[in-house]
Amino acid sequence: AQRVTQPEKLLSVFKGAPVELKCNYSYSGSPELFWYVQYSRQRLQLLLRHISRESIKGFTADLNKGETSFHLKKPFAQEEDSAMYYCALSPIETSGSRLTFGEGTQLTVNP
Amino acid sequence: ETGVTQSPTHLIKTRGQQVTLRCSSQSGHNTVSWYQQALGQGPQFIFQYYREEENGRGNFPPRFSGLQFPNYSSELNVNALELDDSALYLCASRERGGAGTQYFGPGTRLLVL
Repeated sequence: AQRVTQPEKLLSVFKGAPVELKCNYSYSGSPELFWYVQYSRQRLQLLLRHISRESIKGFTADLNKGETSFHLKKPFAQEEDSAMYYCALSPIETSGSRLTFGEGTQLTVNP
Repeated sequence: ETGVTQSPTHLIKTRGQQVTLRCSSQSGHNTVSWYQQALGQGPQFIFQYYREEENGRGNFPPRFSGLQFPNYSSELNVNALELDDSALYLCASRERGGAGTQYFGPGTRLLVL
C-alpha cells in the first residue's frame, strides 16, 4: 500500500523567513513525487514534481529515498505563498496519474 | 485558465439517492481521473478513464461508477448514497504520456443528508 504523510496540518512563518513543509511517504515500488498547491478560492494546481528538478516560485524539493521524504523548501517566504500544500505520490509507470495525496499543510506567511 | 469544468458546483441529496456529476476535460486531454476530498483531508483517487475505458481504480466500492465519452467529457455516478459520501469531488484531466501534468477542475461539493 502507498501512503503519504504530512505531519503538520498548520504552519505559520513570518515573511522573509525560511519555510519547510515536511512530507514522508511509503511505497514498495518506484514512486514519482509531487507538490500541489491550492491558493484561496482557486483550484488545485501542480507546484513541482521531482523528476523535472525545477524550482517554481522559489520552492524546491529533494527526493530522499533513504529517508523516504520529499520536503518542500523555500529560503525566503512571501505573503503570497500562503496556501494549502499537498504532497502526492504516483507509481512511476502511471506518469503522474493515480495520485495518493497527503492530508495537506496550511501555510500562513505573516507580514 | 486550465479549461477543466465541472457541473454542478454543489448539490444536496438524501441518503439512498443516486447522483451524477459531470466533467469537461481540457481540450486535447484524453485521460480523466476522479477524486473524492472529504473535509480536512487530501483528495483520494476514485478511478481513471482513458479512451472511454476504466484503467485504474482506487479503494472505492462498485456503487461508484463512471463514463467517458468520445469528446472526452466524463461522468461520475454514485448509487445508494451514504452520509459519508458528502465531499468535494474533483475531476482532473491530462494528456496521455508527455509531461503528464494533471489539471484539476474546481470541484462539485456534494452534501448527503
